[in-house]
Amino acid sequence: GAGVSQTPSNKVTEKGKYVELRCDPISGHTALYWYRQSLGQGPEFLIYFQGTGAADDSGLPNDRFFAVRPEGSVSTLKIQRTERGDSAVYLCASSSWGLAGVPNTGELFFGEGSRLTVL
Amino acid sequence: QKEVEQNSGPLSVPEGAIASLNCTYSDRVSQSFFWYRQYSGKSPELIMSIYSNGDKEDGRFTAQLNKASQYVSLLIRDSQPSDSATYLCAVNRNTGRRALTFGSGTRLQVQP
Repeated sequence: GAGVSQTPSNKVTEKGKYVELRCDPISGHTALYWYRQSLGQGPEFLIYFQGTGAADDSGLPNDRFFAVRPEGSVSTLKIQRTERGDSAVYLCASSSWGLAGVPNTGELFFGEGSRLTVL
Repeated sequence: QKEVEQNSGPLSVPEGAIASLNCTYSDRVSQSFFWYRQYSGKSPELIMSIYSNGDKEDGRFTAQLNKASQYVSLLIRDSQPSDSATYLCAVNRNTGRRALTFGSGTRLQVQP
C-alpha cells in the first residue's frame, strides 16, 4: 500500500479481554516496529521485526504482550488479559532498513495508530 | 535518567520568530538523530535528520548536533501558526537495537 495501514483505528474493550491490533507496512519494507504512545508522552518502543523474526522485543512490558509477523509483511500485536494501564495509542512503523544497498537513515514511516481503551 | 530528554513546554513564540527546541541524550554510542513533528491526534512525521556534528539546514529548519555535549537542537525560522505541534527528538544507536528511542516531545505554539 501507499502508507502504513493500521486496524482498527479505535478499539474499546473491557478489562481482562484479549485484543489484536493489525499493521500492514509499506510494501517492500523489511523492518517493522511497534510503539506505544500515552497522552503527553513520546512513542515507547515495544518490538522490532526484521523480516519474519523479532529482532528486538526488549520493549514488550510483560508476557501479556506478543507480536507476530509470519510472512514478513503484515504484523499483529496481541494483548492478553488487558488492563486499564494498557490504554494508549499503539503505533506501527516500517522502514527500508535491512534492504540490500539501502542505508539506515533511521526514517520510520508511521501509521495513524490504533487507539486502545480498556474500561 | 531518561535516554532522551526534552522540555515538555509549551514553548510559545510569536509568528515570524525563531523557535528553538532542545534535546539531550544519555547514550554516548548514539549515532543518528532525528526530529519528528506530531500534530495533535496524528502520527509522527520526520522533518529533519542529522548524523554529524554541526548544523544542517533544510528550508526554515536547522538541526544542530554536538556529540561531545550529547545535545541536539532544532531551530525553526519564520515560525508559522501551522508549525504548532509537538516536536519529538529521537536517537538511534545504529548498532544493536535498530529502533529509535524518542523523547517525550516539546509542544510548540506559534501565536498569530
